[in-house]
Amino acid sequence: NAGVTQTPKFRILKIGQSMTLQCAQDMNHNYMYWYRQDPGMGLKLIYYSVGAGITDKGEVPNGYNVSRSTTEDFPLRLELAAPSQTSVYFCASSYSREDTGELFFGEGSRLTVL
Amino acid sequence: EDQVTQSPEALRLQEGESSSLNCSYTVSGLRGLFWYRQDPGKGPEFLFTLYSAGEEKEKERLKATLTKKESFLHITAPKPEDSATYLCAVVGWSGANNLFFGTGTRLTVIP
Repeated sequence: NAGVTQTPKFRILKIGQSMTLQCAQDMNHNYMYWYRQDPGMGLKLIYYSVGAGITDKGEVPNGYNVSRSTTEDFPLRLELAAPSQTSVYFCASSYSREDTGELFFGEGSRLTVL
Repeated sequence: EDQVTQSPEALRLQEGESSSLNCSYTVSGLRGLFWYRQDPGKGPEFLFTLYSAGEEKEKERLKATLTKKESFLHITAPKPEDSATYLCAVVGWSGANNLFFGTGTRLTVIP
């Protein structure tokens, strides 16, 4: 049982490049989330999804896009990367709205934009 | 606006020296308060959920308590393996699926 799997673990981008962070979960969870974590700051919600085909913005969605074509996968797309997007990105999942706070996190993807 | 403040930012304890971490929160209608543990280079790991004032939860050397304004994570006789950053998060009834996380307390337990 792998839980939540994120790839890549590390990536360096040049300003203006684009990339996709991959996230997959094998727990049949309906809810999936993308957070970013910056030094000295709490985790901030970027986007979330309550099921396949349904996504919604979180607190800091600008510069990102998501899609949810299957229950298992929730990729995060960065278009036109900027230095402000240098961060550690975490994907998480939960079974239902009632379990919203009991999240299962991946190990993170560390992104540097130069 | 929902807010979470954790203190202290960092705490160093000798092995066996008990202490408490604080999480003060402001939320419009608390739906739940959550404690997580995060090891360096890893994602947060869920520890506890607290729903109402007076509630307590325990797990090994950790005990979480909740009042109407704050939560405490009590660590009894800590061991070096308890060293980690402990995160507090809240969600309100108006916050949909948006957890508000604090910045965490970095705990170091010295042998």
